[in-house]
Amino acid sequence: GQQVMQIPQYQHVQEGEDFTTYCNSSTTLSNIQWYKQRPGGHPVFLIQLVKSGEVKKQKRLTFQFGEAKKNSSLHITATQTTDVGTYFCAGLSRSQGGSEKLVFGKGTKLTVNP
Amino acid sequence: DAGVIQSPRHEVTEMGQEVTLRCKPISGHDYLFWYRQTMMRGLELLIYFNNNVPIDDSGMPEDRFSAKMPNASFSTLKIQPSEPRDSAVYFCASSPGLGYEQYFGPGTRLTVT
Repeated sequence: GQQVMQIPQYQHVQEGEDFTTYCNSSTTLSNIQWYKQRPGGHPVFLIQLVKSGEVKKQKRLTFQFGEAKKNSSLHITATQTTDVGTYFCAGLSRSQGGSEKLVFGKGTKLTVNP
Repeated sequence: DAGVIQSPRHEVTEMGQEVTLRCKPISGHDYLFWYRQTMMRGLELLIYFNNNVPIDDSGMPEDRFSAKMPNASFSTLKIQPSEPRDSAVYFCASSPGLGYEQYFGPGTRLTVT
């Protein structure tokens, strides 16, 4: 079935260091979404990428969608303690049965040492 | 809007009991999703509805799980009978369209002893 692999599973950084998480899909995606979940909270939407090769920025966060629309990355420059949480990618693709489905990666848990 | 509302926030029950989780989506959203989150399996889509009709229930673990959406403002996820391995956080989410941003509720933390 559809799979979205996300690495690394965990990342611990010193405050000020950069952080990157990667997503890879076994199928071509219609779009990819990124969510952040704070400890004890619920996933909150960050951004959506639709076009092949698309790059979007939100302050210190940079999101990329691969040319083949099968991979994506989230890069955080100069991490802060407020960046702590789990970052999920979610890819929208069509299953063999014909229905579209948003499949979440397992997330990357980021901890930041002040 | 108050966002997606879920109840209860916490549920502790004994194995074999019936559990019903409730969700009120954001008004005007045509899609409603039920997810289960565990450390081992991450965030899993269980089922989703479009205009109150179940579209994809391939993620529902087994016959013990059932979900309904009797109207546009209410959905339930029922587990009968519950088992300890059902312990997880269950999220409901809604969105205006399938490829659109999903708004998650606060979740229900279920513990089955």
